[in-house]
Amino acid sequence: DIQMTQSPSSLSASVGDRVTIACRASQNISSHLNWYQQKPGKAPKVLIYDATALQTGVPSRFTGSGSGAEFALTISSLQVEDFATYHCQQSYSFPLTFGGGTQVEMK
Amino acid sequence: QVQLQESGPGLVKPSETLSLACSISGGSFTFYYWSWIRQSPGKRLEWIGYVYYGGNTNYNPSLKSRVDMSFDTSKDEFFLNLRSVTAADTAVYYCARARPTEYGDMIDLWGRGTLITVSS
Repeated sequence: DIQMTQSPSSLSASVGDRVTIACRASQNISSHLNWYQQKPGKAPKVLIYDATALQTGVPSRFTGSGSGAEFALTISSLQVEDFATYHCQQSYSFPLTFGGGTQVEMK
Repeated sequence: QVQLQESGPGLVKPSETLSLACSISGGSFTFYYWSWIRQSPGKRLEWIGYVYYGGNTNYNPSLKSRVDMSFDTSKDEFFLNLRSVTAADTAVYYCARARPTEYGDMIDLWGRGTLITVSS
């Protein structure tokens, strides 16, 4: 199985901050990487697919970057509604696997 | 607008079979992959498997010996059976829809999730 490692596991930030979350795969997965946002008690919601493509309806302050085994999700100016947990997921091979999540908390 | 809704027992006894259904409303079930994903307390999301509307399946090897998924096209529903459950199977279970992208798949629609507790 491909192991997905996110860092940090949690971070504290303020509204307006630029936030970057990293995701590393245990092998080269090309651009087979998706990012999801999950709020407490809710299902995840896709933000970015294929490493850099913005899902329809997602604000442009969310940006995905990277390829190979190193990826990042950047929020250019954190908004109140962005406080949540973020997950990366590889779609390169079965079984699909997720990162451990990064919780973005209010400072 | 397409919606997914899980239904299930809530509480399952150890060693018994967990059975869940996911109802698809408001859209087509073709051209997509239908999935079950779970999230145990404090743990990462875990993909259980895909069932395709034609009936083909693809399971997580870690659960393959205990899992069956199926699709009922006449009812627009798909199903999960997980046998011989233990406390480790306690989780929120989500049904979800995946669709192919240029590079792979993405899960673009989720149900609200249903909490399944395994306890005697």
